[in-house]
Amino acid sequence: DAGVIQSPRHEVTEMGQEVTLRCKPISGHDYLFWYRQTMMRGLELLIYFNNNVPIDDSGMPEDRFSAKMPNASFSTLKIQPSEPRDSAVYFCAGGANTGELFFGEGSRLTVL
Amino acid sequence: QQPVQSPQAVILREGEDAVINCSSSKALYSVHWYRQKHGEAPVFLMILLKGGEQKGHDKISASFNEKKQQSSLYLTASQLSYSGTYFCGTDAAGNKLTFGGGTRVLVKP
Repeated sequence: DAGVIQSPRHEVTEMGQEVTLRCKPISGHDYLFWYRQTMMRGLELLIYFNNNVPIDDSGMPEDRFSAKMPNASFSTLKIQPSEPRDSAVYFCAGGANTGELFFGEGSRLTVL
Repeated sequence: QQPVQSPQAVILREGEDAVINCSSSKALYSVHWYRQKHGEAPVFLMILLKGGEQKGHDKISASFNEKKQQSSLYLTASQLSYSGTYFCGTDAAGNKLTFGGGTRVLVKP
């Protein structure tokens, strides 16, 4: 199995642009999490899904952020419009019920 | 709410021991421990379920005090490969894993 696949690995964009981050979880994992990591705030949980259904999005910072999981093998995190304070590493992680989380390698976002 | 980890950083000589603590204000179903190397993704070490069990992974072990909502990670006879940032993740609401601020560990020769 290839593991959790995230794209793009690096994104540099200008303030106001739309950013879409993508995640392909490991087959069979019915939980999918989106985390954001910064030096100041550490690993923050943004949203998580169970069987493609959003369960808790209380960590999504603002309406500029949205996430979807149209099927079991694909999820997106969209930021529109992006701001410099959104610069961070965004991780997607998947797992089975109460078990180990498998993280993707992350998408490093820089908003100028 | 984010669990609290202490210390924030620790420097060890190879072969020394260290303890990292994690505490939560909420009743927990489980505690997870992860290690992250610089520039890489967090990697799972172990999970402790309600029941106060202790687990081990090589010379890294952990305990979970359910009554105090605290967990401790024990690095025994540390190796250079133990360097990294250790995160505890707590699950208080059924599969919603929230991470602490991390503990940076540096093991020197």
